[in-house]
Amino acid sequence: QQKVQQSPESLSVPEGGMASLNCTSSDRNFQYFWWYRQHSGEGPKALMSIFSDGDKKEGRFTAHLNKASLHVSLHIRDSQPSDSALYFCAASDASSGSWQLIFGSGTQLTVMP
Amino acid sequence: NAGVIQTPRHKVTGKGQEATLWCEPISGHSAVFWYRQTIVQGLEFLTYFRNQAPIDDSGMPKERFSAQMPNQSHSTLKIQSTQPQDSAVYLCASSSGTGSYEQYFGPGTRLTVL
Repeated sequence: QQKVQQSPESLSVPEGGMASLNCTSSDRNFQYFWWYRQHSGEGPKALMSIFSDGDKKEGRFTAHLNKASLHVSLHIRDSQPSDSALYFCAASDASSGSWQLIFGSGTQLTVMP
Repeated sequence: NAGVIQTPRHKVTGKGQEATLWCEPISGHSAVFWYRQTIVQGLEFLTYFRNQAPIDDSGMPKERFSAQMPNQSHSTLKIQSTQPQDSAVYLCASSSGTGSYEQYFGPGTRLTVL
């Protein structure tokens, strides 16, 4: 079983709509989370990190972390066609001393004009 | 700032040949990471260096794969006797090791083993 699970696998929203992506960790040692976005032919690019319980907002993007349930979500408001990409949740195990990231399988977001 | 540079962008090898992939991290970054991306396995961690020293190679296949960081400006990933299952996009990332420890990824090298 993957340690970081994402849902849904794919998501289509109309331009201007809200996109909601979910991520759950099965390892309680994973305490630090990132959301990355990858456009076709490019490497992943970090959107935001979240390390504390609650919400973190950066422009149109809001991340929410619930450490008790090991659930993190990303909400994109006023979605634009340029937001169409593969979105990854990534986590790291602070207790291990390693900085490696464990990635989920990704959510393919399509924003329809 | 040119970002993380990876060369070549595409590489085609025959089965059994050697492949060497290059990565130039962002200047001043202390950590360099290697990941592999495939449709089936997704994004998998391979190995990373901090201040040129190998720190964690827990994701590296035990045979045929090796990584080095001879100086702070580049790292290499070498695959000996390449096999078709090695076909993937190999991604290099670097991090300053401060703040949020964000990893900045290069565009990747697409390796195709025929």
